[in-house]
Amino acid sequence: GAVVSQHPSWVICKSGTSVKIECRSLDFQATTMFWYRQFPKQSLMLMATSNEGSKATYEQGVEKDKFLINHASLTLSTLTVTSAHPEDSSFYICSARVAGGPNTQYFGPGTRLTVL
Amino acid sequence: AQSVSQHNHHVILSEAASLELGCNYSYGGTVNLFWYVQYPGQHLQLLLKYFSGDPLVKGIKGFEAEFIKSKFSFNLRKPSVQWSDTAEYFCAVTPTSGTYKYIFGTGTRLKVLA
Repeated sequence: GAVVSQHPSWVICKSGTSVKIECRSLDFQATTMFWYRQFPKQSLMLMATSNEGSKATYEQGVEKDKFLINHASLTLSTLTVTSAHPEDSSFYICSARVAGGPNTQYFGPGTRLTVL
Repeated sequence: AQSVSQHNHHVILSEAASLELGCNYSYGGTVNLFWYVQYPGQHLQLLLKYFSGDPLVKGIKGFEAEFIKSKFSFNLRKPSVQWSDTAEYFCAVTPTSGTYKYIFGTGTRLKVLA
């Protein structure tokens, strides 16, 4: 149980285009999802907390207009990287917390974004 | 500010050796503590967690961790590592109430030699 999927697993796009990444909780409902960014050989950096039916909460230094987050249902959150640039190339990971459950996050497999 | 420190960035062990990875946190309130493992090319998996009760918690794959409140530590241990334990290990801390945000340590890359 508590499986989280991400789609796509990798994407290559041209500079200036937008890319959408989906995060789904497959076998549970998640009122809260989290989006992280992981640089090579580094830890996870929390970008934002996504709450179902409300606006996401962004961490300091994360541009909310560049990284659009939508948590439209209890099983789906999306991250859209708008006007992507090469410096946005990274590994993006989502996690989900079981609605009403203990304070434990379950992680997706990540999405490798490469911006040319 | 809240922070999590993992002192060992890279660890190399031979099979059957014992493992201890350090994790210390800085936070004034009550916390939940976690260890996650990331095998090469795979997603983060929960190894074990501490919420309350017995400070010695046992997780999957023979791992255990001990919460020492006075030292703000949550060290991960395994008595005998295997080649398949080669992975990156992350300690994470979150307050017991509020935003449920995790604070991750920088990770420890473990390599086990066969």
